[in-house]
Formats: sequence, structure tokens, C-alpha cells
Amino acid sequence: NAGVTQTPKFRVLKTGQSMTLLCAQDMNHEYMYWYRQDPGMGLRLIHYSVGEGTTAKGEVPDGYNVSRLKKQNFLLGLESAAPSQTSVYFCASSGTEHSNQPQHFGDGTRLSIL
Amino acid sequence: RKEVEQDPGPFNVPEGATVAFNCTYSNSASQSFFWYRQDCRKEPKLLMSVYSSGNEDGRFTAQLNRASQYISLLIRDSKLSDSATYLCVAGYSSASKIIFGSGTRLSIRP
Repeated sequence: NAGVTQTPKFRVLKTGQSMTLLCAQDMNHEYMYWYRQDPGMGLRLIHYSVGEGTTAKGEVPDGYNVSRLKKQNFLLGLESAAPSQTSVYFCASSGTEHSNQPQHFGDGTRLSIL
Repeated sequence: RKEVEQDPGPFNVPEGATVAFNCTYSNSASQSFFWYRQDCRKEPKLLMSVYSSGNEDGRFTAQLNRASQYISLLIRDSKLSDSATYLCVAGYSSASKIIFGSGTRLSIRP
């Protein structure tokens, strides 16, 4: 049982380039989330989805877009990468209203923007 | 002020010791609380949920104090494998309002 899978694991981009991070979960979870984690900042929510076809902004959404075309997949896009987006990105999922249920995390994507 | 605050540590304690962390939250509307463990360069993993009455799981005990707005984690008989960063989490009813603390680093020495 794979759980939550993120691809790619590592990526280096130049400023202005675009890319998409893929998150896939095989637990039939309704809720999915994208976080970034920076030193001393903790995990910060970028965008989230409460079901197929829905997305919503989190705490730090600027510079990112997301899509949830299929229940099992949640994509995070950077249209024009900036050095400030250098971070570790985690995807997570939960079965129901997250405030009562723990989240299951993927193993992260380390992204560097030069 | 951060909504969820933790002492970053590091806490450096000998194997077998008892260690405790506190985590404070600023929003009294918080409804659910968790402790996650994160190993270096790995993803966070749920350690335990925190219930109002307090709960225990083996060597780990979690407590919630709503009056003072803090949660605690107690680790007894610490093992080398307990070395990690421990993240405190407070959640609200809204799906967008789950706040992670920055984490407390724990290092267990032989």
C-alpha cells in the first residue's frame, strides 16, 4: 500500500521556469493538501481540496496553482518560479474533515530555484 | 505571535531519561490537537492525537490544558530512536485552519 506518493523527489529550476508537482494517494481520501516547509517556519498550507473538482486557498497561496481533476491526484503548479519558492513541499491527505482526522503525508519534494 | 508555539530546542537528554515538551496555542477556538514526529529530511508522521482527558500510548503521554491553552508531550524511558523533531498541531473546524508548530528537536544520547 503506497499511501501518498509525490513526484519528483528533487528538482532544480531556474527563475521563471514552470513546473508541476504531482501527488497521488491510493487511500480513497476526500481531502488533500499541499504544504511547504521552511527552516524555523513549520508547515504552511498552500492550497487544499475537499473533493474531486474542488480547490481552495490556504495560508500562502500566491505564486501557486492547483488542480484536482481526479480524486486520487492533486497537482501543484508553479507558473514562474522564484527563489523564494525554494522549499520542501509536502502533500497530505485525510479521509474526512481534517480537524478531527490526522493527515497522511508523502515523503516530500525538495525544490531549489536558482 | 505565532498561533502555535514550540520551544525549538534542541533537547539533548540521555537514553532512559524522561523528557517533556509543551506547546502553546493562541486561538481558543482550536478543537483538535495532534503530535507528529518528523525525522531528518523525512515526512511528518502522526505520533498521537491529544484528547481532552489526556491519553497515553506506551511510553508517550499527551495532555491538553484548555484553560492555559497548551498541550504537552511526555516521553518516558527515552530511546535512541526517539531522536526526531516533534511537531505540535492545532486544528479548527475549517479545513483550511490546521496550524503546525515549528517543531521541537529532541536528541537522545547513549
